[in-house]
Amino acid sequence: DAKTTQPNSMESNEEEPVHLPCNHSTISGTDYIHWYRQLPSQGPEYVIHGLTSNVNNRMASLAIAEDRKSSTLILHRATLRDAAVYYCSYPGSARQLTFGSGTQLTVLP
Amino acid sequence: DSGVTQTPKHLITATGQRVTLRCSPRSGDLSVYWYQQSLDQGLQFLIQYYNGEERAKGNILERFSAQQFPDLHSELNLSSLELGDSALYFCASSSLPGVRYGYTFGSGTRLTVV
Repeated sequence: DAKTTQPNSMESNEEEPVHLPCNHSTISGTDYIHWYRQLPSQGPEYVIHGLTSNVNNRMASLAIAEDRKSSTLILHRATLRDAAVYYCSYPGSARQLTFGSGTQLTVLP
Repeated sequence: DSGVTQTPKHLITATGQRVTLRCSPRSGDLSVYWYQQSLDQGLQFLIQYYNGEERAKGNILERFSAQQFPDLHSELNLSSLELGDSALYFCASSSLPGVRYGYTFGSGTRLTVV
C-alpha cells in the first residue's frame, strides 16, 4: 500500500505562503507524487504532480526532497478559496492513486 | 466544470435495491476510475477501466460491478444495497492508463441508502 503521512490540519493567514508537508518514505524511484485538494461537497481537484525536481504551475509549487521520502506543497499566497482538504498520493504497488485523510487547511482572513 | 460528468447527483434508495451510477469522462480521456468516499473510510479506489478494458481493481465489493462502453462512458452498478453503502461516489478520468498524468474528477453522486 502507498502510505503517506500528513498533518490533520493547518492554519494560514490570507495572502501569506503556506507549506503543506507530506511524508512518503516507502515511495519507489519511479512513482510520481500527486497533490489534490477537495472543497466541501465537491470532487477532488488536481493541484500538481512531479517525480524528482521541483515543479511549478499556476496553482502551486511542489518541492520534492532529494531522497524523495517527503514533499511539500507550497501555496505562495493563500486566499480564502484555498481552504480545502489537501491530499498527497503516489501509486505504489497497486499502480493506482489512493488517498489518506489529508490535511484540512484553514485560511484566516 | 471539470469536464467529467456524473449522473445523478443525488440518489436515495432502499436497502436491497440496485442502482446504476453513470460517468462521462473528459473529452479525449480513455481511462476512467471509480472512487468511494464515506465519512469513516476516506477516498477508496474501486476500479479502473481503460478504453473499455478493466485495468485495475481496488477495494470493490462483489456486489458492485462496472463497465466502460465503446463511447467511453462508464457505469458503476451497485446491487443488494446496504446502509453502509451510503457514500459519495466519484468518477475520475485521465488520458492514459498510468498515473504519470493527473486525474480529473467529477462532482460525484451522493448515494443514500435508507
